[in-house]
Amino acid sequence: GAVVSQHPSRVICKSGTSVKIECRSLDFQATTMFWYRQFPKQSLMLMATSNEGSKATYEQGVEKDKFLINHASLTLSTLTVTSAHPEDSSFYICSARIAGGPTGELFFGEGSRLTVL
Amino acid sequence: GNSVTQMEGPVTLSEEAFLTINCTYTATGYPSLFWYVQYPGEGLQLLLKATKADDKGSNKGFEATYRKETTSFHLEKGSVQVSDSAVYFCSSGSARQLTFGSGTQLTVLP
Repeated sequence: GAVVSQHPSRVICKSGTSVKIECRSLDFQATTMFWYRQFPKQSLMLMATSNEGSKATYEQGVEKDKFLINHASLTLSTLTVTSAHPEDSSFYICSARIAGGPTGELFFGEGSRLTVL
Repeated sequence: GNSVTQMEGPVTLSEEAFLTINCTYTATGYPSLFWYVQYPGEGLQLLLKATKADDKGSNKGFEATYRKETTSFHLEKGSVQVSDSAVYFCSSGSARQLTFGSGTQLTVLP
């Protein structure tokens, strides 16, 4: 099946610094990628939809200036958590839809666990 | 808006027991329905899917049938194994995005 890779899988940073998480589709092109946040024992919360070559669409309540998303190519989207604070500590997951693929079928990355000290 | 409601966990079963995890959805139109599984320390993986009413998705011994009349997509397996221990997410898909249920933690004991 299609493979989506996230990097880094774990990151620890100091409060006030910025952290970048990469999401790559390894063997397919993804015109659309999604970023989610998962809290312990809770479901995924869609943060934003990232479209190649255009601005991301953010869900209500998600600060676009804090969670910067860039989708510069058909195989790479990045999420940058700017001026991170301890409350930003979470598990961030990306997913990608194959261009022209079945509606709704997504392939997920392994997730990136962010810990802000 | 769209929503997915699934059975709260955690669920603990003995090996070879029968498993049912209930899932119901609300949506406009006719969404595709999915079950995703998250094994410990790993990302989400698609387990099975159904794209229209009465379709049955199946994989690794798991099954779920798209029931339009009851807006349900319950996950079943006749005989669970220890290796099935994971968190299971039901989701409903539109052309734009997927809506996830809260997840059900399954633990299978030997």
